[in-house]
Amino acid sequence: SQTIHQWPATLVQPVGSPLSLECTVEGTSNPNLYWYRQAAGRGLQLLFYSVGIGQISSEVPQNLSASRPQDRQFILSSKKLLLSDSGFYLCAWSSGGHPTDTQYFGPGTRLTVL
Amino acid sequence: GESVGLHLPTLSVQEGDNSIINCAYSNSASDYFIWYKQESGKGPQFIIDIRSNMDKRQGQRVTVLLNKTVKHLSLQIAATQPGDSAVYFCAENMGYGGSQGNLIFGKGTKLSVKP
Repeated sequence: SQTIHQWPATLVQPVGSPLSLECTVEGTSNPNLYWYRQAAGRGLQLLFYSVGIGQISSEVPQNLSASRPQDRQFILSSKKLLLSDSGFYLCAWSSGGHPTDTQYFGPGTRLTVL
Repeated sequence: GESVGLHLPTLSVQEGDNSIINCAYSNSASDYFIWYKQESGKGPQFIIDIRSNMDKRQGQRVTVLLNKTVKHLSLQIAATQPGDSAVYFCAENMGYGGSQGNLIFGKGTKLSVKP
């Protein structure tokens, strides 16, 4: 069966520091991968998605970037964190055969920028 | 569109009663709809989905109803249990009409089950 991992689970970082969040998927090949952010008490906002290695699409302009160095690895980064980057970051995967394939979410990373 | 506001709608039900959670979606071209359950501090968990060519789909203790005329989606949970307490999100997907797999999430409804 497929599993999705995210780490770290929680992170507290000062403003201006760099960020690297990692997401890995097991049990599937060539998945679509997604990064979402969830602000407190709100729904999820899609940040990036990837349909293959090195292929990244950005949905909103922001202080963050994403990379996909391996088929089942998706990384969310920032060179300098802002206070507004605080939130709950969720990685998701789908099988990639069709845009409406179900997306399955990881456990998330709670990021607090101070 | 983007959800707004920090206060989630809340539904409080007695254990054993049926729950109905409603959602209005925004795009008449949406092709696919999903309900997710999110427990505190965890990622959303897939519950059930429905495609636009259907108006009802049933799972184990859950039923999703789709009314395309009024762009309304509902999730019915039978015999609600304390473990059902969570925030429930509906999401819509335009399929090939939108960007690859772009899910648009609703505001969420917090379900509280009283023992």
